[in-house]
Amino acid sequence: AQRVTQPEKLLSVFKGAPVELKCNYSYSGSPELFWYVQYSRQRLQLLLRHISRESIKGFTADLNKGETSFHLKKPFAQEEDSAMYYCALDSGGSNYKLTFGKGTLLTVNP
Amino acid sequence: DVKVTQSSRYLVKRTGEKVFLECVQDMDHENMFWYRQDPGLGLRLIYFSYDVKMKEKGDIPEGYSVSREKKERFSLILESASTNQTSMYLCASTGADFSYEQYFGPGTRLTVT
Repeated sequence: AQRVTQPEKLLSVFKGAPVELKCNYSYSGSPELFWYVQYSRQRLQLLLRHISRESIKGFTADLNKGETSFHLKKPFAQEEDSAMYYCALDSGGSNYKLTFGKGTLLTVNP
Repeated sequence: DVKVTQSSRYLVKRTGEKVFLECVQDMDHENMFWYRQDPGLGLRLIYFSYDVKMKEKGDIPEGYSVSREKKERFSLILESASTNQTSMYLCASTGADFSYEQYFGPGTRLTVT
């Protein structure tokens, strides 16, 4: 069975500092991995997906199959990055069912 | 823009009541999902539907049922609400376009007293 682990419930950094939100997964096949974000009083939305290898709002995430990780990184955090971040895994199949981690609440202090 | 709407933002019900949560999407998506979101537990899938009248249990289906009579509408039903079903409920949808992106509704915060 697939599993997504986000080891940090809370992460607090200062503005301008680098930030890394950790995500590890357990899945024997070839996963599709995503980061979703929920800003205060907004709906949950997709931030980025590993297959597109893009940078969104300065965030990047690299899939490391050897370490089964998909950590989210940003070199210089901004206050507007404060939000709840969820890592999610799609194990394939035709139903696009996602398995979510428990989330990390990022606070960027001024 | 994809729009997923949920019938209520806030709902207060009494223990034992039957509760209906409605979700509507306007993008002709085949797949629809119901999650509950709890602090420290993340998002947990309750049920999903991949076609009209088709449904599958998610990870925590106990105490819930669903209905999908029309493609755009997916209802979550709490047959007899209990206090441990107090939570934020999120609906999502996705199409068969291989983008994998799930589009979420704004959520319904249900309190069962």
